Amino acid sequence: GQSLEQPSEVTAVEGAIVQINCTYQTSGFYGLSWYQQHDGGAPTFLSYNALDGLEETGRFSSFLSRSDSYGYLLLQELQMKDSASYFCAEVNRDDKIIFGKGTRLHILP
Amino acid sequence: SQTIHQWPATLVQPVGSPLSLECTVEGTSNPNLYWYRQAAGRGLQLLFYSVGIGQISSEVPQNLSASRPQDRQFILSSKKLLLSDSGFYLCAWGVGAGYTFGSGTRLTVV
Repeated sequence: GQSLEQPSEVTAVEGAIVQINCTYQTSGFYGLSWYQQHDGGAPTFLSYNALDGLEETGRFSSFLSRSDSYGYLLLQELQMKDSASYFCAEVNRDDKIIFGKGTRLHILP
Repeated sequence: SQTIHQWPATLVQPVGSPLSLECTVEGTSNPNLYWYRQAAGRGLQLLFYSVGIGQISSEVPQNLSASRPQDRQFILSSKKLLLSDSGFYLCAWGVGAGYTFGSGTRLTVV
């Protein structure tokens, strides 16, 4: 089967750093993606990790450890506009993407 | 560039009525297409995906069906809506790592 676990909510302060963790259990795993979704909007693609290690894109970084079936999204220099839901998503060999239930990020001024 | 169009943006339908949501993609050929549903405050549930014309895979048994009459067109349908069909329906296209989502249809069944 396939399941992804991530925290339902995380709160952080503007300007700080926050890490959103994701664990997965699946067969046919290819890689881990991250998406951002603002209230009322559609998800937008942030990053993808197929290999172990850290991928950096501006203020956002994503990490994957295949041996631990674990990944995280790191957001630095938090801004109020980063308040959103963040989904980890597993890419598998069938070219399907299975999403976690999402982490609601609250940012305090 | 590739774009994805989805309509309508919002829809209020009575229980027992039919449903047809349309999604079209521009700027790409033979895309993989997907329908997801998101209940309020919840994650995205994969409903259907298609790798080509007339090829539909269903992920969960439900009151819905999908069709792909043309390469860049993906349709989600129901003959009789249930209250539990309410949600945010999203069409997406992509291969591999990153999907591009349409703007979604917020369906309320009353």
